[in-house]
Amino acid sequence: AQSVTQPDIHITVSEGASLELRCNYSYGATPYLFWYVQSPGQGLQLLLKYFSGDTLVQGIKGFEAEFKRSQSSFNLRKPSVHWSDAAEYFCAVVERGSYIPTFGRGTSLIVHP
Amino acid sequence: DADVTQTPRNRITKTGKRIMLECSQTKGHDRMYWYRQDPGLGLRLIYYSFDVKDINKGEISDGYSVSRQAQAKFSLSLESAIPNQTALYFCATSDSPGTSGRDTQYFGPGTRLTVL
Repeated sequence: AQSVTQPDIHITVSEGASLELRCNYSYGATPYLFWYVQSPGQGLQLLLKYFSGDTLVQGIKGFEAEFKRSQSSFNLRKPSVHWSDAAEYFCAVVERGSYIPTFGRGTSLIVHP
Repeated sequence: DADVTQTPRNRITKTGKRIMLECSQTKGHDRMYWYRQDPGLGLRLIYYSFDVKDINKGEISDGYSVSRQAQAKFSLSLESAIPNQTALYFCATSDSPGTSGRDTQYFGPGTRLTVL
């Protein structure tokens, strides 16, 4: 069955530490891939997206993500986390030929000072 | 001013009551969506509309209905609210570039609904 998985429900990091949030998908062909962030009390905002080409994509707020076809993954990274990055992060995929995204269950990021 | 607005932002109601959640957008997008968010379940699609005359059911449409009054307005109704409809509801819009599926979704701030 087609699915998108975020294995980590919560991740805790110290401010200044590096971050990697995992996203795996199970689709026949590589779907379109997105990462969104939900800050407390707000709606979701697009961080970055991947359609094709260069497998390392840059986004807003210093985030990047790497597409790995062999691992069916699209992991989100940031080299140095700031306290303001504390939020919920959602991976989303859209099957090619479809218009509708499927969201992962989200990963809650907690940042310790 | 926000591009996607939702009213009300918070609502507490009782079982069996009819509730309407409203969404307005100034982005000029044709596509609009309603999602609900439950802890640990992510976002699930309730209904979506690609233009004023187009309404489609999403993954979890039972117990909900929608109305697309204009390009800019998309309302979600709970005809007879029940406690398991307690959730955070989001409206979203998306642009529609030539190739399907590449839309970026733009979300409203959400409506927190509690059904007692």
